[in-house]
Amino acid sequence: QVQIVQSGAEVKKPGASVKVSCKVSGYTFTNYPIHWVRQAPGQRLEWMGWIHPGNGKTRYSQKFQGRLTVTRDTSASTAYMELSSLRSEDTAFYYCASGPTLGISWGQGTLVTVS
Amino acid sequence: DVVMTQSPLSLPVTLGQPASFSCRSSQSLLYSDGDTNLSWYQQRPGQSPRRLIYQVSNRDSGVPDRFSASGSGNDFTLKISRVEAEDVGVYFCMQATHWPYTFGQGTKLEIK
Repeated sequence: QVQIVQSGAEVKKPGASVKVSCKVSGYTFTNYPIHWVRQAPGQRLEWMGWIHPGNGKTRYSQKFQGRLTVTRDTSASTAYMELSSLRSEDTAFYYCASGPTLGISWGQGTLVTVS
Repeated sequence: DVVMTQSPLSLPVTLGQPASFSCRSSQSLLYSDGDTNLSWYQQRPGQSPRRLIYQVSNRDSGVPDRFSASGSGNDFTLKISRVEAEDVGVYFCMQATHWPYTFGQGTKLEIK
């Protein structure tokens, strides 16, 4: 049974950075990409980027290039999403998703508030 | 980016009645390998999204068979044959043929 657990809520000042973790269990961590998606209040879901834990390859949406860094720690079966130069518009729930097929399993979400 | 447009934005339905959700893409979602990467998600209040359907019409494990989906190219539909109270929430379509993957704005299903 795939289980994905994210780190807790964060409150940050404008201009700061935030790092959200995503711990995976129930399957071999290095087998499947981990995707990051965010949902701002009143906005549609937005795909940010992904990392393949097996080889560390990443791909980012152009919108977040230069501000988004996705990393992983294979020994801890954990992926990380770091977003820098935060602004009020970055206030959102941030989700990670992974599994054998795209979007099959999601974390519980992490609320990041920029204020 | 591919724009996904859903309609209606709000869908009030009487319990036991059918519901239909529409999703249109600004570009064809048919990939060069012959697959069409269009999925449907349900998001209940206060919960993470849950995938219901993948590759246009394949129901995920545990999804009731009252949910069905169809479509091709740019035009897709999700149907619920008989709405139950637990179906309340927002339904999103998502394309994963073109990067970045994009979602529709969602259709909110409520009980009339």
